[in-house]
Parts: sequence; structure tokens; C-alpha cells
Amino acid sequence: SQKIEQNSEALNIQEGKTATLTCNYTNYSPAYLQWYRQDPGRGPVFLLLIRENEKEKRKERLKVTFDTTLKQSLFHITASQPADSATYLCALDLNTGGFKTIFGAGTRLFVKA
Amino acid sequence: DTGVSQNPRHKITKRGQNVTFRCDPISEHNRLYWYRQTLGQGPEFLTYFQNEAQLEKSRLLSDRFSAERPKGSFSTLEIQRTEQGDSAMYLCASSLVEPLYEQYFGPGTRLTVT
Repeated sequence: SQKIEQNSEALNIQEGKTATLTCNYTNYSPAYLQWYRQDPGRGPVFLLLIRENEKEKRKERLKVTFDTTLKQSLFHITASQPADSATYLCALDLNTGGFKTIFGAGTRLFVKA
Repeated sequence: DTGVSQNPRHKITKRGQNVTFRCDPISEHNRLYWYRQTLGQGPEFLTYFQNEAQLEKSRLLSDRFSAERPKGSFSTLEIQRTEQGDSAMYLCASSLVEPLYEQYFGPGTRLTVT
């Protein structure tokens, strides 16, 4: 069956440390993989997009890797801050003729001061 | 405000009633998406439009759900004969076609079916 798995348990880290979030998928062949941030009661906010032929993408304190052999993406936030506390969603873009986006359930990140 | 807007923000309805939500995307975006999200889950894809054409529709979407984007601008999502299981946050997003696929989400419409 097709699945996207993100750490179901919340991730608690100390301010200044690097947070690493994992997204694993099975039986999908995404053309793109995206990461979004979502705060309670609000819509998701786009962070980074990586294509199937890219290994790594960076933006400021954020870094995402994409391994299509392992079917895994890692999302890193360096020098984390309490303001980074949120739910982070992994999303696969499938080229189904049209494009269809499948989201994981998200990982809740708490950064303690 | 040039972001994605959704109306209403909250809707409470009784089971069996019909409801309609509206989404106004970012003006230059060709693609428009509808999602449903329940507590603790990620957004669940419902359907998407490219301009006025509906190109993909989830098999999970029953025939009580219909969406339109008549002039390739705003979109409406209608749910007929609502059920308690329809209670959720309904999110709209828009994007360009090329080369940037990232989606910009609206604030959502919270539907409660009593």
C-alpha cells in the first residue's frame, strides 16, 4: 500500500540545536517533495521544494535532502529557535497526468528556550 | 492583501443541509487546490483545477462534493446533504504551473456539522 510516514511523536529540542525531521514513503514515485510549516488553526506555509533529481536544497537555516533510493527526505533546522515550534508537513507531488499532492500527517516540533 | 482568501472562516450547519465555501486564489496563479484536514492529520487532497478545468479529483470524494472554478479565478466547493463526518477544516491553495509548484494556502473554512 502507499504510505507517507513522519515521526508521529513530537520532537523536543533545546534552542540552538539542530532539529532533524524524517519523511519516509512507500510505493510512490514523486516528481517533487515539499516541506510545509503549519501553526495551530492556520493553513500550511510553504518552506522548501526539492525535485527528484536533486539531492539537497538549502534556504537560510533550513536544509532538505531527498534520497529516491531510500525513499526518504530529511528536513533540518539549524540553530533552532522557540519560534520554530510548529507542525512540519512533508508532501509528495505525484505526476498522475495531472498533479496531485499527498501530505503526511506531520511532526510536531517544540523548541525550548 | 494578495494572499489566498477563503469565506466563510467558520460554518456551523445541521446534518442534511447543503453548504458552499468560496476560495479566492492569488490572482496570477493558474492552479487551485482543495483539501480537507482533520485534527492530527495532514491535508487530504480533494481536487484541483488548472484555470477552469478540473484535472484531478480524489476517489475519496463522494458525489455529495462538487467544486467549480467557472472563470478560472475564484472557486466554490459545495457539500450536499452534509454528514457529521464532513466536519473538518477545508483548505484552499493556489500555485503557478511552471516553474514553481509550491502551494500557497488560505486560512481555511472550519465546518462543523451538528
